[in-house]
Amino acid sequence: DVKVTQSSRYLVKRTGEKVFLECVQDMDHENMFWYRQDPGLGLRLIYFSYDVKMKEKGDIPEGYSVSREKKERFSLILESASTNQTSMYLCASSWGRQPQHFGDGTRLSIL
Amino acid sequence: DQQVKQNSPSLSVQEGRISILNCDYTNSMFDYFLWYKKYPAEGPTFLISISSIKDKNEDGRFTVFLNKSAKHLSLHIVPSQPGDSAVYFCAASYSSKLTFGTGTRLQVTL
Repeated sequence: DVKVTQSSRYLVKRTGEKVFLECVQDMDHENMFWYRQDPGLGLRLIYFSYDVKMKEKGDIPEGYSVSREKKERFSLILESASTNQTSMYLCASSWGRQPQHFGDGTRLSIL
Repeated sequence: DQQVKQNSPSLSVQEGRISILNCDYTNSMFDYFLWYKKYPAEGPTFLISISSIKDKNEDGRFTVFLNKSAKHLSLHIVPSQPGDSAVYFCAASYSSKLTFGTGTRLQVTL
């Protein structure tokens, strides 16, 4: 069974801090994705990656960057955290056009 | 611009009855559609999908219908069970990337 692991379930950070969210998948999937989920807005794609060292902007990339140095790991970086980045962050992975598998999410609060 | 819309934020259904969740899309490039189920404090889990070459796909109690001319899909759950209470997201794609709707919270009552 596919396992997508996000490093933290809950995280509290301060405005202006640099924040790293980590995601690891164990199924050798080529594709990895970062979403945020907000009430009434569904899941919105921040960034995705089709291969190591490759990244593509999603629908809401502003204020975020990503890193994919190894195939199994995809990191989301908040360069200078702001209160409007308080949200649930979800990582997913997939093979080709197969359904994406999600981690359990990181609830991030920026104070 | 919301390309995938779920116009009902919530739905309440009695146990044993049918639940029908609806989803509309605007982008005619979409050729693959999925439904995900999400419990609180967990990530979404894949439920069922349908390709645009089909108009129906069935998996146990879950059936997805696709009406391409209307750009509409629906998820039918029969019979509904209390464990089906969750938020349901529809999603659409024409590549490896998915576009999600805003979700419908289904509550199945006893």
